[in-house]
Amino acid sequence: GAGVSQTPSNKVTEKGKYVELRCDPISGHTALYWYRQSLGQGPEFLIYFQGTGAADDSGLPNDRFFAVRPEGSVSTLKIQRTERGDSAVYLCASSYGGRRNSPLHFGNGTRLTVT
Amino acid sequence: AQSVSQHNHHVILSEAASLELGCNYSYGGTVNLFWYVQYPGQHLQLLLKYFSGDPLVKGIKGFEAEFIKSKFSFNLRKPSVQWSDTAEYFCAVRGNTGTASKLTFGTGTRLQVTL
Repeated sequence: GAGVSQTPSNKVTEKGKYVELRCDPISGHTALYWYRQSLGQGPEFLIYFQGTGAADDSGLPNDRFFAVRPEGSVSTLKIQRTERGDSAVYLCASSYGGRRNSPLHFGNGTRLTVT
Repeated sequence: AQSVSQHNHHVILSEAASLELGCNYSYGGTVNLFWYVQYPGQHLQLLLKYFSGDPLVKGIKGFEAEFIKSKFSFNLRKPSVQWSDTAEYFCAVRGNTGTASKLTFGTGTRLQVTL
């Protein structure tokens, strides 16, 4: 079946611009996660949704980062006033929420480059 | 707060050599533990997981890991590596309370298998 889909796969933007990154989870997965991975590092947690609501947004680095999931399926990560330090691979994952032993299924990520 | 430490950042082995990658975690409660693998150009994939029961868990492609509670460790092993095992390996922990919650990753170990 279809896995987690992320678009675009690559995004290059200028410093100060606004970007949106999209994630389509696996059908039926109610939990959705955003992670950020910098070169040589492990994935760093940003935010986790259970259904439409953000259950844990403790990983968002500052108020320039925001994520939504209005219908409990597709999610969009929004970054305002981008900075060069935001350059990273942004990963989305989904799981069969409500079960703490449900593994995360990851997408291929969006590589964001801020010039 | 939960955290994961992977001590080996880069490991180079010859084909048929045995592999052990270290993983230690910190969490004040019961945990679920995971190993994920990322092959070059691919997304993160689940290698194996521990939730409860037998502390020795077997995963795909001949990998196994042992949960040693007293040492807060979950080391990954494979008796004989293949060239196709060249990849980055990530250990991850999730607190075993409530519903699905965030997964915390280590910084990863890059494994290079030579012919």
